[in-house]
Amino acid sequence: NAGVMQNPRHLVRRRGQEARLRCSPMKGHSHVYWYRQLPEEGLKFMVYLQKENIIDESGMPKERFSAEFPKEGPSILRIQQVVRGDSAAYFCASSPIEGHETQYFGPGTRLLVL
Amino acid sequence: DQQVKQNSPSLSVQEGRISILNCDYTNSMFDYFLWYKKYPAEGPTFLISISSIKDKNEDGRFTVFLNKSAKHLSLHIVPSQPGDSAVYFCAASDVVTDKLIFGTGTRLQVFP
Repeated sequence: NAGVMQNPRHLVRRRGQEARLRCSPMKGHSHVYWYRQLPEEGLKFMVYLQKENIIDESGMPKERFSAEFPKEGPSILRIQQVVRGDSAAYFCASSPIEGHETQYFGPGTRLLVL
Repeated sequence: DQQVKQNSPSLSVQEGRISILNCDYTNSMFDYFLWYKKYPAEGPTFLISISSIKDKNEDGRFTVFLNKSAKHLSLHIVPSQPGDSAVYFCAASDVVTDKLIFGTGTRLQVFP
C-alpha cells in the first residue's frame, strides 16, 4: 500500500541551476497537487494537475516554475535558474477524484540553493 | 491576506489531559476543513476532516468541532499522548477550487 512517493528527498543546487522534483501519486489517484513550505510558515498551494492537464496554477510563480503530469510517469515540478529564495520544502499530495476528497501528502523534497 | 489562521504557535499539555487546537477562517466559501499532523522532515499526515454541513466529527481520540457562524473550528485530542507531539495544521477548501489553504500551524508538546 504505497503512499505518495517523492524524490529526491533532499536536493542541493547552486544558483542558476535547474531543480527537478518528482512525485508519484498513490495508486488509483489521478489528481496531484504541489505545495511549498517556507521556513516557519504553513504550506502554500502552487499547482493542481490531472493527467496531461493543468487545472489550477494560481499559486505558481509566473517565471522559472513549471509543472507537468504526463500520461505515463510521475508529476514533475521544474524550477529553472534557481535562486536562494527557492530554498524550501516542496510537498506533493494526491487525491482519487475531484471534489473535496482528502489529499494525502508525500514526504517532501527539501531544496537547498547555495 | 491569511484566510486560515492558527493564532497559537505553540501549546503544551500534560499527558492524559485534553489538547485543544484552534483555527479561524475568513472565507465564507470554505466548505470542507481538515486537520493534518506533521513531524519534522516528514510530510503532513491526514488526521480528520469535517464538511460544513456538520458541526462535529469524531474519530477515536480526535474530535473536530465546526462553528460556522463564528468561522471557527477546533481539534480536541483526548487523552493526549506524548506521541501526539507534532505541528498541527488546519486547512480549508472552498466550493470552487480543490486547493487547500493552510494555517501556519500550532506546535503541540505533550509532556509526561
